[in-house]
Amino acid sequence: GENVEQHPSTLSVQEGDSAVIKCTYSDSASNYFPWYKQELGKGPQLIIDIRSNVGEKKDQRIAVTLNKTAKHFSLHITETQPEDSAVYFCAASRLVPISNFGNEKLTFGTGTRLTIIP
Amino acid sequence: NAGVTQTPKFRVLKTGQSMTLLCAQDMNHEYMYWYRQDPGMGLRLIHYSVGEGTTAKGEVPDGYNVSRLKKQNFLLGLESAAPSQTSVYFCASSPGTGGYGYTFGSGTRLTVV
Repeated sequence: GENVEQHPSTLSVQEGDSAVIKCTYSDSASNYFPWYKQELGKGPQLIIDIRSNVGEKKDQRIAVTLNKTAKHFSLHITETQPEDSAVYFCAASRLVPISNFGNEKLTFGTGTRLTIIP
Repeated sequence: NAGVTQTPKFRVLKTGQSMTLLCAQDMNHEYMYWYRQDPGMGLRLIHYSVGEGTTAKGEVPDGYNVSRLKKQNFLLGLESAAPSQTSVYFCASSPGTGGYGYTFGSGTRLTVV
């Protein structure tokens, strides 16, 4: 099965600086990589995702990059703000058609607690 | 637009007691999942369902049972609670597997004493 490793487990950055979280995966067939943000007392929320036919995707201050050869992908947050403080999870799975009722479920990393220092 | 709703939000059980956690989604999603979240362990899949009337085991199914009698509801049962089941439980749903983001509920914090 798929195995996703996430680093670092904790990260503190000064407000305004950039933060980078990295994940590696083991299944070369994985081709869908979402990132989730979990604020205190809430469930994880999808913030950005990338598919293997794309090397980079950006949405305002957040971006995700993918290196399929090395089997790793990263989340980049620029100009960090206090509201970026949260736990971030990466995940990986295979893309399958919706009509294929297989078991290609998301495998999650163990999370990164990001703290933005004012 | 409620999304995924979990009840209850908090519960304290005594060892050996039973309870059911309810998950309801209003997005007509086919797939539903139950996860547990423990410090340093990330999200671990307990059971999941690929449609009404179906259930399947995930990574850590022992001690739990599930039912999906209606498409919008996914129930997680603990027949005889143990302290090791103290955790935060999250339900999620998705239109399908692979390439579809999951929508999570806000969680149930369960303490077994």
